[in-house]
Amino acid sequence: NAGVTQTPKFRVLKTGQSMTLLCAQDMNHEYMYWYRQDPGMGLRLIHYSVGEGTTAKGEVPDGYNVSRLKKQNFLLGLESAAPSQTSVYFCASSRDRVSTEAFFGQGTRLTVV
Amino acid sequence: AQKVTQAQTEISVVEKEDVTLDCVYETRDTTYYLFWYKQPPSGELVFLIRRNSFDEQNEISGRYSWNFQKSTSSFNFTITASQVVDSAVYFCALSEAYSGNTPLVFGKGTRLSVIA
Repeated sequence: NAGVTQTPKFRVLKTGQSMTLLCAQDMNHEYMYWYRQDPGMGLRLIHYSVGEGTTAKGEVPDGYNVSRLKKQNFLLGLESAAPSQTSVYFCASSRDRVSTEAFFGQGTRLTVV
Repeated sequence: AQKVTQAQTEISVVEKEDVTLDCVYETRDTTYYLFWYKQPPSGELVFLIRRNSFDEQNEISGRYSWNFQKSTSSFNFTITASQVVDSAVYFCALSEAYSGNTPLVFGKGTRLSVIA
């Protein structure tokens, strides 16, 4: 069973380029999340979704957009990449918001030059 | 707002030593959940344990044990007889049941290095 799958695993972008990170989960989870991980900062929530067709802002949403058109997929978009968006991005999903653990993808390492 | 503090940024121990990773949290909710995750050098995040605010029993799983104390708002993690394979970044996290809609909030992590 795949769990949470992120695509791509690595990417290098030039400043100003756009891209979409794909996240797919096969556990029928309602909740999905995008986090970024930077050295010394832990994991910070970018955006999240509480169900198909819904999205909400997290702690660091600026410069990112998301969409949840299908329950199993959660897309993270960068419209105009900046070097400050160089990070490792993790997608996660959970059955509910509070009491169940989140399952994480393997991460996407993004470098913006 | 909820907050998780892991004051230890990096810890280095010699194999077979015991080590405790500290986690202090802040919340106004009476119902909340605490989690520990492990991130080995390969990068993935692995769930270790979940504890709800009404269950203060300590938990032991093999060499791992967790001490939850509501009086000090702490949820500390101890590894007994550490091994090189325990080298990883460990994250403590908190979710609140009622205060807003914010999902899981993570501490900044503690990097544990176990030296052979």
